[in-house]
Amino acid sequence: DAKTTQPTSMDCAEGRAANLPCNHSTISGNEYVYWYRQIHSQGPQYIIHGLKNNETNEMASLIITEDRKSSTLILPHATLRDTAVYYCIVRVTGYSTLTFGKGTMLLVSP
Amino acid sequence: DAGVIQSPRHEVTEMGQEVTLRCKPISGHDYLFWYRQTMMRGLELLIYFNNNVPIDDSGMPEDRFSAKMPNASFSTLKIQPSEPRDSAVYFCASSLKGVEQYFGPGTRLTVT
Repeated sequence: DAKTTQPTSMDCAEGRAANLPCNHSTISGNEYVYWYRQIHSQGPQYIIHGLKNNETNEMASLIITEDRKSSTLILPHATLRDTAVYYCIVRVTGYSTLTFGKGTMLLVSP
Repeated sequence: DAGVIQSPRHEVTEMGQEVTLRCKPISGHDYLFWYRQTMMRGLELLIYFNNNVPIDDSGMPEDRFSAKMPNASFSTLKIQPSEPRDSAVYFCASSLKGVEQYFGPGTRLTVT
């Protein structure tokens, strides 16, 4: 699986959009970009995934650059409950396992 | 659906004792994963099953660790004998066709 690079930590004000970047410059054509998050003392939670088109669901939006070498997870209106570690993971199509890095610690403040 | 269920939520045991962690995956899911999380090493995959068959156990740290999945609705992770360095949070996750994984709440294991 391609290696990902994320900032160690980010801050966001409650109600504002949180934009979490991820670099995956060695991504292959058959690799998807997945985002998970882990709220303190809970198990990781799936957020969203995509191949090359932008994706949106009830939790977030995923913007993937045209060359697919980077992506941004967008939480449109961050709340205090969005404080968590966010993991960007690149995974081969059809491959079952996930390899978690260190992620980005997002702190949402009032 | 109740989600992935793990028991116990907390386990404190003495070094040398046998520890058994339990997991009930989401009904209908065909993949089951066991992970371990520590501050030093982060979240690591230990083993995973597909249709109750172990597929990859390369992440199991040593022979003291074993995992079984006797049926589609139950799996165990056993440590015998336990050591202080096994202290960690152990997560079970399940998925359908290996796509999104749904994690349980974890078991916090402390070995003294």
